[in-house]
Amino acid sequence: DADVTQTPRNRITKTGKRIMLECSQTKGHDRMYWYRQDPGLGLRLIYYSFDVKDINKGEISDGYSVSRQAQAKFSLSLESAIPNQTALYFCATSGPGYEQYFGPGTRLTVT
Amino acid sequence: DQQVKQNSPSLSVQEGRISILNCDYTNSMFDYFLWYKKYPAEGPTFLISISSIKDKNEDGRFTVFLNKSAKHLSLHIVPSQPGDSAVYFCAARSADSNYQLIWGAGTKLIIKP
Repeated sequence: DADVTQTPRNRITKTGKRIMLECSQTKGHDRMYWYRQDPGLGLRLIYYSFDVKDINKGEISDGYSVSRQAQAKFSLSLESAIPNQTALYFCATSGPGYEQYFGPGTRLTVT
Repeated sequence: DQQVKQNSPSLSVQEGRISILNCDYTNSMFDYFLWYKKYPAEGPTFLISISSIKDKNEDGRFTVFLNKSAKHLSLHIVPSQPGDSAVYFCAARSADSNYQLIWGAGTKLIIKP
């Protein structure tokens, strides 16, 4: 079984809808991250969490919110989706070191 | 401004030859550099890293070189194999980004048979 899972894997939604992307991990890591990937831009950090009570904004947090429900679960919400939020979204975890472990990604399309 | 740059969107190499992927950076405070590999429909996976106090790190067919004066690092893959075809991301971290990773845009490596 995968150490980092993301649901859904694909999602098409309409402008203005609220959607939630979920991430679960079995690695026992305290740190979790949400990234988005756009063509030609690499990965950009949306939010990160060092533990359940510590959540931080990343480079591009506007239009997004997160919830760390437990050590193993970190969800990303788009309160009112817009077309330029169409992207590939990745969840990742890490221990105290620098290596991050990624989920398989969620492809989100906002029409 | 992009602190980590991978200026080659793609690279094509013959199987068995050396693949060299390049990465330039602007922040002299970066203390660790990492390379990740990504296959389609999968998340990135860690490949190899190097500390800023070293100039070379080797792991099997993969070697990363760091030239701090030029703010440049490179990943060498020798010999290249078909399974190496993937997108390769360079990433770096520093204290002034709260030790979060800053990523390059990626280079798509195609290994030709």
